[in-house]
Amino acid sequence: GAVVSQHPSWVICKSGTSVKIECRSLDFQATTMFWYRQFPKQSLMLMATSNEGSKATYEQGVEKDKFLINHASLTLSTLTVTSAHPEDSSFYICSARQGASNSPLHFGNGTRLTVT
Amino acid sequence: QQQVKQSPQSLIVQKGGISIINCAYENTAFDYFPWYQQFPGKGPALLIAIRPDVSEKKEGRFTISFNKSAKQFSLHIMDSQPGDSATYFCAARTGTASKLTFGTGTRLQVTL
Repeated sequence: GAVVSQHPSWVICKSGTSVKIECRSLDFQATTMFWYRQFPKQSLMLMATSNEGSKATYEQGVEKDKFLINHASLTLSTLTVTSAHPEDSSFYICSARQGASNSPLHFGNGTRLTVT
Repeated sequence: QQQVKQSPQSLIVQKGGISIINCAYENTAFDYFPWYQQFPGKGPALLIAIRPDVSEKKEGRFTISFNKSAKQFSLHIMDSQPGDSATYFCAARTGTASKLTFGTGTRLQVTL
């Protein structure tokens, strides 16, 4: 089946630094990838939609200058949390869609970010 | 605005029992309703999904019941096992938008 790999699985960084999270589709090409954030015991909240070769579309309330998304190839999207603060500590999960808009979404295993 | 409402928030079921999780939606443009299972520290995994042109879909111990007129759908886990203990999310999507809207999640615990 379709596999989405996320790296790193966890990261600890200091306030003010930037962190990059990678999302790769291992056995399929993903024209669209989605980035979610999940706080403890809460649901997944969509942050942005990433389309290969074009600018990401951010959900309302998500700062595009703080959460930089790059989707440079059909198998890789990256999320960079810039100037991270403790309130950015969360579980970040990417998902990828193979093919048409009605195709199932496949999720990565998430990245636990802790900002100290 | 919570577009997909999920209940209960938590559920405890004995081994061998039936687990039932319910979801309701408002947006009649939704045309795809998946259920995801998430274990702690992991991403969600697609469990089963249904489209509104059918009222029920069964895969193994998992069944989705769909009531289009009531705008409700539910997940039934038959013969629940301790290994089913996880958080379950319902979701909904419109074909054109393709992004998923998730319910608030149900933490299921199956006891021995």
